[in-house]
Amino acid sequence: QLQLQESGPGLVKPSETLSLTCTLSGGSVGSYYWSWIRQPPGKGLEWIAYMFYRESPKYNPSLKSRVTMSVDTSKNQVSLKVSSVTAADTAVYYCARDYDSRGYGYYGLDVWGQGTTVTVSS
Amino acid sequence: DIQMTQSPSSLSASVGDRVTITCRASQTISNYLNWYQQKPGKAPKFLIYAASSLQSGVPSRFSGSGSGTDFTLTISSLQREDFATYYCQQSYSFPRTFGQGTKLEIK
Repeated sequence: QLQLQESGPGLVKPSETLSLTCTLSGGSVGSYYWSWIRQPPGKGLEWIAYMFYRESPKYNPSLKSRVTMSVDTSKNQVSLKVSSVTAADTAVYYCARDYDSRGYGYYGLDVWGQGTTVTVSS
Repeated sequence: DIQMTQSPSSLSASVGDRVTITCRASQTISNYLNWYQQKPGKAPKFLIYAASSLQSGVPSRFSGSGSGTDFTLTISSLQREDFATYYCQQSYSFPRTFGQGTKLEIK
């Protein structure tokens, strides 16, 4: 059974870089596609990034210049960095497996971590 | 980017009611449409993929339909545990986009 656990700094100062890690248990990160999603307080879900470890990541254009996603198969982790953060980056950040259960390209986020809360404040 | 618009934004209903939530895409997405359920303080739960296919373990009272630009999520007989916020998401192209959510509340 796959389980995901996000971890992060909790509090980040404006203009700094936010670093998040998602650790997988029960499987290998190199076997699946992964996504990061965030949810500002009281608001909806925003897709951030997606990647498979052997491919170039895909990013939300609204964040692309500030975001870097990576997969570390040796640590079985997926990571996300967001640079030059502002208060607008305050959110719960989730990692999730992006899985095509049918094999026809019908990808969906079927396994989620519990989320990690990030607050941007001085 | 493909914009996803859900309606209504909120909905009050009673246990046993049949409810329908609508999701509209700004351009055709075939049937590359997912639905999620989210309860307060929890991660979203994957309910439906390919517009109408139930994820494993999801009760059969949930159903989805549609293709092209217009989609619906229907709960045939509301149970207390179904009161939550529901999101649609297109997986047709990048960036993946979500609807703004529909909050289903107890009347």
